[in-house]
Amino acid sequence: DIVMTQTPLSSPVTLGQPASISCRSSQSLVHIDGNTYLSWLQQRPGQPPRLLIYKISNRFSGVPDRFSGSGAGTDFTLKISRVEAEDVGVYYCMQATQFPHSFGQGTKLEIK
Amino acid sequence: QLQLQESGPGLVKASETLSLTCTVSGGSIRSSNYYWGWIRQAPGKGLEWIAVIFHTGSAYYKSSLRSRATISVDTSENQFSLRLSSATAADTAVYYCARHSDFAPDVDSFDIWGRGTMVTVSS
Repeated sequence: DIVMTQTPLSSPVTLGQPASISCRSSQSLVHIDGNTYLSWLQQRPGQPPRLLIYKISNRFSGVPDRFSGSGAGTDFTLKISRVEAEDVGVYYCMQATQFPHSFGQGTKLEIK
Repeated sequence: QLQLQESGPGLVKASETLSLTCTVSGGSIRSSNYYWGWIRQAPGKGLEWIAVIFHTGSAYYKSSLRSRATISVDTSENQFSLRLSSATAADTAVYYCARHSDFAPDVDSFDIWGRGTMVTVSS
């Protein structure tokens, strides 16, 4: 099974400042069809997760453009250009390249 | 607007079988564009992918749960279900059902989630 490892596990950020979360997979997430099925999800307190980014860098419908994703192969990054109060929560990367799919451990974003 | 709703007992005795159902409304579970999954979250912990199923009945499981988990689909009722046998306290969690979209939208991820249901396994 593919193991997803996120760093850091906790990220205190000042409002208006950028934030960055890394995700590394135990093997390449490039599918035989050429796509890389790495997505990012946000879970606000008390809510179910919400899809933010799919296939490394594509923002899902309604996601603000301060969120961006990048990376390739086994190393991926989620960036928030300017953190807002509503961004508080836990962020997860998820691979859907190979069954069984898997999530990272989650990174808790909190305001300093 | 497609919606998913989890249902099932909130309390299960240890060693018994945990059973949950996800009802899909506002769309058909038969579409080949999607498949359907269960994810859980133990108190204060992260998300754990459990299993997914296609409308055809083909299914995939997390390796460590394969021996105890069964996911099934009932297309006539527009529902899919999860059974987890020999439950222990470690199975105490919020259980979410979700849609994995391969096409329309072409996101290849879980794009729609249920609100989740808390299941406690007691001894």
